[in-house]
Amino acid sequence: DAGITQSPRHKVTETGTPVTLRCHQTENHRYMYWYRQDPGHGLRLIHYSYGVKDTDKGEVSDGYSVSRSKTEDFLLTLESATSSQTSVYFCAISDSRVITEAFFGQGTRLTVV
Amino acid sequence: AQSVTQLDSHVSVSEGTPVLLRCNYSSSYSPSLFWYVQHPNKGLQLLLKYTSAATLVKGINGFEAEFKKSETSFHLTKPSAHMSDAAEYFCVVSPERGSTLGRLYFGRGTQLTVWP
Repeated sequence: DAGITQSPRHKVTETGTPVTLRCHQTENHRYMYWYRQDPGHGLRLIHYSYGVKDTDKGEVSDGYSVSRSKTEDFLLTLESATSSQTSVYFCAISDSRVITEAFFGQGTRLTVV
Repeated sequence: AQSVTQLDSHVSVSEGTPVLLRCNYSSSYSPSLFWYVQHPNKGLQLLLKYTSAATLVKGINGFEAEFKKSETSFHLTKPSAHMSDAAEYFCVVSPERGSTLGRLYFGRGTQLTVWP
């Protein structure tokens, strides 16, 4: 398995609180991604990074921010969590912009109450 | 624009019978295509990929898929289903150039049930 660790694996938080999810990789891959998975929607891209301090928005980026200060870490922050952000979040990595393979973490289940 | 349509949200088969999971895609540029599998409460595992080489692609666990450009399809098949194949399957497209280079676009998933 590719070396990707997501933390925490499970979290319950209250509406309006900030939440940060962490993705850590040991593969030295340049590209990192955050997706959310919701029933009937597959996975949708939130943000991605193509290098340290280089990030861009995906298709469902509203309410989320990201940071990447080191190659190995990609943080996803919900500034003020809402119930609509209850989801399973997956981190992925790739070593090429022309994606020939992407590796996924085990996911973080976030519940906003 | 890129999009992926998985034509069946649920497929049920008996153990030992063939599996067919259908996928159609739309892409502005020649895409890479993937099938991923997700077992309950697990991450995503790559089954197979098409990246502009042979149109018939063989993957793990006896799965294969055929890229048909004229039909914009990338259907996943397996000759004989096993109980352990029960999972959710995602068809994924990634454009090889253009403004959306480097992104993965997921279908909504097909839940495969295998009956004994």
